[in-house]
Amino acid sequence: DVKVTQSSRYLVKRTGEKVFLECVQDMDHENMFWYRQDPGLGLRLIYFSYDVKMKEKGDIPEGYSVSREKKERFSLILESASTNQTSMYLCASSLRTGFRGTDTQYFGPGTRLTVL
Amino acid sequence: KNEVEQSPQNLTAQEGEFITINCSYSVGISALHWLQQHPGGGIVSLFMLSSGKKKHGRLIATINIQEKHSSLHITASHPRDSAVYICAVKLWGGGTSYGKLTFGQGTILTVHP
Repeated sequence: DVKVTQSSRYLVKRTGEKVFLECVQDMDHENMFWYRQDPGLGLRLIYFSYDVKMKEKGDIPEGYSVSREKKERFSLILESASTNQTSMYLCASSLRTGFRGTDTQYFGPGTRLTVL
Repeated sequence: KNEVEQSPQNLTAQEGEFITINCSYSVGISALHWLQQHPGGGIVSLFMLSSGKKKHGRLIATINIQEKHSSLHITASHPRDSAVYICAVKLWGGGTSYGKLTFGQGTILTVHP
């Protein structure tokens, strides 16, 4: 079974702090994703990575950055946390299957971040 | 307007009822996924469809490519089916080789005993 783990289930930080969220997958997947999930807005893509050191902005990248130094690990960084970044953060990974592939994504358990 | 629309947004049912959740999309797709999220956050993939119908236990998923519509059915619903059900599509066009999905807003299902 694919396993995607996230570094924390719950996190409380103060406004202005630098926050690191880590995601690790054990299935040698090329693609990794960071989403945030808010009531009424569904899952929104922040950033994704299709290979080591490669990254692409998603729909809402402002205020976030990412790092992928190793294939199995994808980090989300909040440079200066703000209260509007309070949310559930979900990481996912998938195998790169190309244009006609299924691209089933496997999700981590989520990190509920509260910024005070 | 969202590219992927789900209905209803909230659904309450009694145990044993037949449940249908709908997903409509406005663009060309190569695949459609149904996902389930239980309270606590974890999301699991239920089905991937590119045509026709799939069945797994009490869950049935169908897709009509011409009408750009998919349905998720739950037969003989049970309180343990209470969850958020999310439709997601893989779009044709730029970036699809990277496996990006576009998500609906989710349907919150509550099944009462």
